[in-house]
Parts: sequence; structure tokens; C-alpha cells
Amino acid sequence: QKEVEQDPGPLSVPEGAIVSLNCTYSNSAFQYFMWYRQYSRKGPELLMYTYSSGNKEDGRFTAQVDKSSKYISLFIRDSQPSDSATYLCAMSDGYGGSQGNLIFGKGTKLSVKP
Amino acid sequence: SAVISQKPSRDICQRGTSLTIQCQVDSQVTMMFWYRQQPGQSLTLIATANQGSEATYESGFVIDKFPISRPNLTFSTLTVSNMSPEDSSIYLCSVAAGTANQPQHFGDGTRLSIL
Repeated sequence: QKEVEQDPGPLSVPEGAIVSLNCTYSNSAFQYFMWYRQYSRKGPELLMYTYSSGNKEDGRFTAQVDKSSKYISLFIRDSQPSDSATYLCAMSDGYGGSQGNLIFGKGTKLSVKP
Repeated sequence: SAVISQKPSRDICQRGTSLTIQCQVDSQVTMMFWYRQQPGQSLTLIATANQGSEATYESGFVIDKFPISRPNLTFSTLTVSNMSPEDSSIYLCSVAAGTANQPQHFGDGTRLSIL
């Protein structure tokens, strides 16, 4: 069983739709959870960064962490064609994202159609 | 966040040769990391570049294959040695502030193809 599972998609939605992206994980020691967005031929760009369980909102983006279920989600409201990219979840143990090993999902490719 | 520049952005190399990838940051950072992103695979940490000491390598990666330098707090290099087609990948540099719990930020990567 891989440490982090993420559906690779591709996921195609119409403009304005609500998008739900998810990852599951097996290591209960993970405490820091991140979502990165990666456009073609670019590096991963940090979107959301959360600690432990709960929700965090930033504009059209909401990150949810459910540690009891080992499940994290990223919601995108009012999706735009510019949101078309690959979304990577990442997580790490108690040393946080700046230290230690970030474990990534394989990424979900999202396409938002005008 | 810091601006991270990687050079070269892409290269095509012959098998058996070596290539050095540079990572330059516009501010001093405590932590610098090197990752590999193979097609269809997750980003995988190669090593942590430590300023003033040897890099710390993850399981499956060795110094002879991926020597790393970190001469100061704004610069690091990764060399991919004796390359084979299996080394064709994207290599990414990331950085993080030294304060606790700061997330990593990535450069745009080096796209490497081995013939």
C-alpha cells in the first residue's frame, strides 16, 4: 500500500463547477498537509498549507483534513479555465513541511472547459 | 516567497555523461532540497542539501550518482552522473525557511532527456 493515494484523473469539468480533489494516506504520523498546483512545464506552486485536522479557506479554495479517516480534500469553487493544471497533495510528519521528507500523491490532472 | 531559478531548464544528454543542475535563490534559506519527478510517478525526494556539510540522501539515492554541493545559503547544485535513459526525468529544487513548520517552495525544474 502506497503512503499517499491520489486519483490521477483526468478530471474534466465545465467552467463554474465545484471541483473536489482528494487524497488518502496510511501514515497516521502525518500532521502537515499541502496542496500544490502544477502547470505544464512549471514547478509545483503552493496553494494551501494546513496543520492537523480541520478546514482552511483561501478565496475560491478550501482545504479539508480528516485525520481520523486519513483523508484530505481540496475544493475549488467557481472553477475557471485558468485552474486547469495538475494538483498534487503532499504531507509530512511532525517536523513539518520545511524539514523531513514530503510525501506526494501522483497528482490529479484537472481540465476546466469554457 | 523566495524566487527560485534553476539552470538549465532542459537538456538532452548522451548516456554515460554527467550534467550539473544549478539552483539559485534570491534570499538566504536554511533548507534546500532536490526532488525527482518521473513520468506518471510522485515527486520523490533525492536529498537534503546541507550548507557546509554533506547532503543527506534518501533511501535509493547515493552520493556517487547524485553528488550535491551547497556552498552558501542561496545556491546549490545537483549532478546527475554517468547518465542512463532511466535518469530521464524532471529534477526540481525546493527551499524552505528555517523557522518551524514552513512549507517548501519549488523552482520550475530541469527537464532532462538521456539518449
